[in-house]
Amino acid sequence: GQQVMQIPQYQHVQEGEDFTTYCNSSTTLSNIQWYKQRPGGHPVFLIQLVKSGEVKKQKRLTFQFGEAKKNSSLHITATQTTDVGTYFCAEAAGNKLTFGGGTRVLVKP
Amino acid sequence: DGGITQSPKYLFRKEGQNVTLSCEQNLNHDAMYWYRQDPGQGLRLIYYSQIVNDFQKGDIAEGYSVSREKKESFPLTVTSAQKNPTAFYLCASSKGAGLAETQYFGPGTRLLVL
Repeated sequence: GQQVMQIPQYQHVQEGEDFTTYCNSSTTLSNIQWYKQRPGGHPVFLIQLVKSGEVKKQKRLTFQFGEAKKNSSLHITATQTTDVGTYFCAEAAGNKLTFGGGTRVLVKP
Repeated sequence: DGGITQSPKYLFRKEGQNVTLSCEQNLNHDAMYWYRQDPGQGLRLIYYSQIVNDFQKGDIAEGYSVSREKKESFPLTVTSAQKNPTAFYLCASSKGAGLAETQYFGPGTRLLVL
């Protein structure tokens, strides 16, 4: 089945710096959803991207869907300690979501 | 957190025992899902249900069973056939089972086999 790969698997970020995590697929994605899971918690929906080249912003988070709809990215500016957690992308295909392996973000104060 | 409850929060099982994890939602959602998450890993789909009295296998259904007798409830049974059941189990629901539906997750149950 469809698989989405996320890189990097781990991201150590200095507080105040920016970083980007990527979600890649070898085939065209119908859409992409992004979720955040805090340590010890459960995934929480962040955003959905559907259109080719789509860009959406939520405060310091910028989500982008590639022109070919084969990749997506999440860029966080001015990282804060509250950004700690695992960020998952997931493709909604058919009746279910297929999750990537996630990017685990650690913030150094 | 979307009105989804899971119980218990922690569950200990002896080898050879079946255990049932509870998932209840009061969101009037049609679709419900069970995922398994191993430490440091992503989510893998076990079973899902789009409507009452119907459910489908996900990617890792072996050793698990479910029922959907009521719209608000989707219990998961981890049977003794599941050889490596220690994991974090997450239940989710969505309004429908369409392509663009957002999933809302419960707080999860951590299962440990003794």
